[in-house]
Amino acid sequence: KNEVEQSPQNLTAQEGEFITINCSYSVGISALHWLQQHPGGGIVSLFMLSSGKKKHGRLIATINIQEKHSSLHITASHPRDSAVYICAVRPNTGNQFYFGTGTSLTVIP
Amino acid sequence: NAGVMQNPRHLVRRRGQEARLRCSPMKGHSHVYWYRQLPEEGLKFMVYLQKENIIDESGMPKERFSAEFPKEGPSILRIQQVVRGDSAAYFCASSPQPWDEAFFGQGTRLTVV
Repeated sequence: KNEVEQSPQNLTAQEGEFITINCSYSVGISALHWLQQHPGGGIVSLFMLSSGKKKHGRLIATINIQEKHSSLHITASHPRDSAVYICAVRPNTGNQFYFGTGTSLTVIP
Repeated sequence: NAGVMQNPRHLVRRRGQEARLRCSPMKGHSHVYWYRQLPEEGLKFMVYLQKENIIDESGMPKERFSAEFPKEGPSILRIQQVVRGDSAAYFCASSPQPWDEAFFGQGTRLTVV
C-alpha cells in the first residue's frame, strides 16, 4: 500500500480550464510538497505546505491536515503546464519522504 | 546562484561496471538527498547526507550502493557492478536546513546495457 495516493493518474484538459489534482496520504506529516516534472526533465519544487493554502501565480495549493488531503489547482491552464505533478509528504518521524506516483497532465491548445 | 548541479546528465554503463553520479548542492546548502525513479514508477528516497555524514540510508540497497558527501566537493552516489535493474533516473536535492524546502537537480539517467 502506498502511503501517498494521487488522483487522477492522467488528466487531459483544454487550454483555459481550471484543473485540480488531489493527494491523499495515510501518515501523520510535518510537511507536504508539490513537485513538477517535465518529460525527460528535472524536478521543480512548486510548494511546501504544512497548513492552509499557498498561491503562486496561477497555481494554488491547499492542505487539510485533519483529513490528510491536499489539492493542487491550476487556473487558466496553458499547454506549458503539461507535466507530471508529484505529491510528496514528510512524515512526523524518520527522514524519509514518501512520493505519490504522479499525475500526468496534458493541456491541449 | 547556480541550482543543484548533477553530472553526468546521461550515463551508459555495461553490466558489471561502476557508475559514479555527482551532485553539487546549491551554495549554502549542506543537506543532500538522493532519490531514484525507476521507469514507470514514482520517486523513492535513497539516502540523506549532511557534510561528511550519512544521516539516513534506509532507502539504499544494502549491497553495491554507497554514498558520500565529503567536506570538499560534490556528493557522490556510487553503484558498483551495475545490473540492468539499476537503470533509472537518479535525482539529487539539497536544502539549507534539514528537510527544508528542497531544490532538485536535473537528474542523471543511468542506462545499463
